[in-house]
Amino acid sequence: EAGVAQSPRYKIIEKRQSVAFWCNPISGHATLYWYQQILGQGPKLLIQFQNNGVVDDSQLPKDRFSAERLKGVDSTLKIQPAKLEDSAVYLCASSKTGGYDSPLHFGNGTRLTVT
Amino acid sequence: KNEVEQSPQNLTAQEGEFITINCSYSVGISALHWLQQHPGGGIVSLFMLSSGKKKHGRLIATINIQEKHSSLHITASHPRDSAVYICAVRNYGGSQGNLIFGKGTKLSVKP
Repeated sequence: EAGVAQSPRYKIIEKRQSVAFWCNPISGHATLYWYQQILGQGPKLLIQFQNNGVVDDSQLPKDRFSAERLKGVDSTLKIQPAKLEDSAVYLCASSKTGGYDSPLHFGNGTRLTVT
Repeated sequence: KNEVEQSPQNLTAQEGEFITINCSYSVGISALHWLQQHPGGGIVSLFMLSSGKKKHGRLIATINIQEKHSSLHITASHPRDSAVYICAVRNYGGSQGNLIFGKGTKLSVKP
């Protein structure tokens, strides 16, 4: 089974620029998550999709962050404009269902550096 | 006080040693995850527990719901086990992805 694919692996941008990250979950997984992991901290959920609908985006800074999963498969996370404090690893994860007994599978993440 | 506490923060072991990493939490949970994170960011889900004990190869995870405590054991440790091990819980009523993460335990296994 192919894992969760993310791209790019690394990105360096200047503040106020825009950036987009892409995630392709495991085939057949209905639930997709985006996490932000700042150095030295645990991941923080940004948004959770169930198919193409948003389940939880309570911690997404909506003034600058947006995410979509239009066809219920792959997803894009965008930051516009970026700030220095957005430097982090952005992790995508998927699970078969949204149920508590459905394990999460993580991608390798995208490391963003904002200068 | 963090809702999920792990100990130790850092652990150095010799190859072959038996390793225990502990996780205590203060909220009611529906599931607890043990995750492994290698340098470079990739996270692998090792276990998801809601009760009892699970075993996979040299890894064993246990949970005591009454005591709000879980342990991850590694038997016959190997340098390739070197990674950060993260405990994360899903509390009652939370969406499945909205996990509360511990700060991780950095394990280094020396040959």
